[in-house]
Amino acid sequence: KNEVEQSPQNLTAQEGEFITINCSYSVGISALHWLQQHPGGGIVSLFMLSSGKKKHGRLIATINIQEKHSSLHITASHPRDSAVYICAVYPYGGSQGNLIFGKGTKLSVKP
Amino acid sequence: SQTIHQWPATLVQPVGSPLSLECTVEGTSNPNLYWYRQAAGRGLQLLFYSVGIGQISSEVPQNLSASRPQDRQFILSSKKLLLSDSGFYLCAWSIIARAEQYFGPGTRLTVT
Repeated sequence: KNEVEQSPQNLTAQEGEFITINCSYSVGISALHWLQQHPGGGIVSLFMLSSGKKKHGRLIATINIQEKHSSLHITASHPRDSAVYICAVYPYGGSQGNLIFGKGTKLSVKP
Repeated sequence: SQTIHQWPATLVQPVGSPLSLECTVEGTSNPNLYWYRQAAGRGLQLLFYSVGIGQISSEVPQNLSASRPQDRQFILSSKKLLLSDSGFYLCAWSIIARAEQYFGPGTRLTVT
């Protein structure tokens, strides 16, 4: 079983829809990272959070440490949001560099 | 502001040839540096990380090596490439350990 599970694996939405991507993890963590990978491969850091909620523009990330779960929400989705969204965690006791990555959620937003 | 550069952007190399990929960071001092590989259809895998000049930690045994000759320079090398080394290689940096990581544009390596 993977330590970081994302759902869904693939998601197709119509422009304007509200989107939720889920991330569950099985280890104790010090922080969780949401990343966006564009079709060309480049990766952008969206959020890093260890509790509560963060918002940036149309993106909202929440985390529930007790339930070991995080969600990434996109409001008023747009075709330019089409990308792979990756959840990654820093586990307690891991090495200094050791992010554990989910396999990603591929989002396609249709106009 | 900080920027991270990688080159080359794409590379096609024959099996058995050497490899050198370079990553540099601007606008920060003493960053933590990371090399990741993403094989086709798979997730990101940490290969090496460095907390300072000459300090390299390897996460996965392989025929690759890394070096950090200068504070903001991180190099990924191989003496003899294997077909299985093909993939997308990403460099990243963070201000301290376990902090938010910022990724470079990546190098797409195809070993033929």
